[in-house]
Amino acid sequence: KAGVTQTPRYLIKTRGQQVTLSCSPISGHRSVSWYQQTPGQGLQFLFEYFSETQRNKGNFPGRFSGRQFSNSRSEMNVSTLELGDSALYLCASRDSTDTQYFGPGTRLTVL
Amino acid sequence: GENVGLHLPTLSVQEGDNSIINCAYSNSASDYFIWYKQESGKGPQFIIDIRSNMDKRQGQRVTVLLNKTVKHLSLQIAATQPGDSAVYFCAENGSPGGSARQLTFGSGTQLTVLP
Repeated sequence: KAGVTQTPRYLIKTRGQQVTLSCSPISGHRSVSWYQQTPGQGLQFLFEYFSETQRNKGNFPGRFSGRQFSNSRSEMNVSTLELGDSALYLCASRDSTDTQYFGPGTRLTVL
Repeated sequence: GENVGLHLPTLSVQEGDNSIINCAYSNSASDYFIWYKQESGKGPQFIIDIRSNMDKRQGQRVTVLLNKTVKHLSLQIAATQPGDSAVYFCAENGSPGGSARQLTFGSGTQLTVLP
């Protein structure tokens, strides 16, 4: 069974732009969570989607948003990019035992 | 707020020795704990998990111990190999103030295996 896939793997943007990241969960997994990883803050929860509904949200500004499609694929969007948004963005899908499996991440650099 | 934290940021061990990585958590309501391994340039990889109704769980070369009394979690790696070099995170899958579940991660421990 294929793992969690994320596209693109690397992205360079400039301040003020917006970006959309994509995640495809493991087949059969209906829950997708997003995390931001930075050297200073570590791994921080962004939000979780289940059956196309946002089920939980972390402490991030409204510039961070997401959605989930009927096939469980998910996208997250960051608008008005700031330098501090440079990070590794990780997506994880959850199985029926609550175990979360992570994708390789998208490395976002904001210049 | 409540958080999960690691005692040591770095750990160096000789190849073949056993490694012990520790983690303290503060959310007494946490009922599920996970250890992840993250190699450079990769996403976190699930290693082993344990639920709060257990004290110990063993996998292949790894053992997780849970002490709910002192809110402490540890990961033991037997016969550490060079491929074990990575950052190890503990995470708790509780629900701090909410009904949904999310992972709260510790800061991570860098394990380096020396030849």
